[in-house]
Amino acid sequence: SQKIEQNSEALNIQEGKTATLTCNYTNYSPAYLQWYRQDPGRGPVFLLLIRENEKEKRKERLKVTFDTTLKQSLFHITASQPADSATYLCALGEGGKLIFGQGTELSVKP
Amino acid sequence: GAVVSQHPSRVICKSGTSVKIECRSLDFQATTMFWYRQFPKKSLMLMATSNEGSKATYEQGVEKDKFLINHASLTLSTLTVTSAHPEDSSFYICSARVPGRTTMNTEAFFGQGTRLTVV
Repeated sequence: SQKIEQNSEALNIQEGKTATLTCNYTNYSPAYLQWYRQDPGRGPVFLLLIRENEKEKRKERLKVTFDTTLKQSLFHITASQPADSATYLCALGEGGKLIFGQGTELSVKP
Repeated sequence: GAVVSQHPSRVICKSGTSVKIECRSLDFQATTMFWYRQFPKKSLMLMATSNEGSKATYEQGVEKDKFLINHASLTLSTLTVTSAHPEDSSFYICSARVPGRTTMNTEAFFGQGTRLTVV
């Protein structure tokens, strides 16, 4: 069955550093991979989508890579800020029908 | 951007009663909406796909008679948890996609979620 794993449940970093989150998947050949941010008690908010033919995508301080050979995506937040503290979810699929990883809870300390 | 509104944000009900959760697309028409369930510290699990004007499609293991879904209009889908039990306590989230717009038809827009507590 299709499986998505995010490599750590929690990640603590110092403000200003780069946070790197990992998403691995198996038994799937996705056309898209998406990253969402979820704050406590709220629904996920879309951040970035990367297509299978794209290696890297950037949006402001965010960068996503997609390696279809390794079946892995890396999500980077550069110059991290305490406001970036949240749970980050990777998801496979298209539109609303998504399979989610379990999320990585990022905590950025001042 | 597209806005999805979910109501109520929190609800407490007694065991055996039914609870209805509404999901509305505010500035677009959604022929398809999705319902997810999330347990604490766990991932979102897709429960069902809500189709306007037709029956919902449920994921394996989700009881359709327990979780009734109605999508009577292009902007509203409802999820009714029937005969609720404490184990139904969870965070329920809906989402929708914007149809027919190339730059937006792959990302999902989520409601703010409903925290259901069954006592």
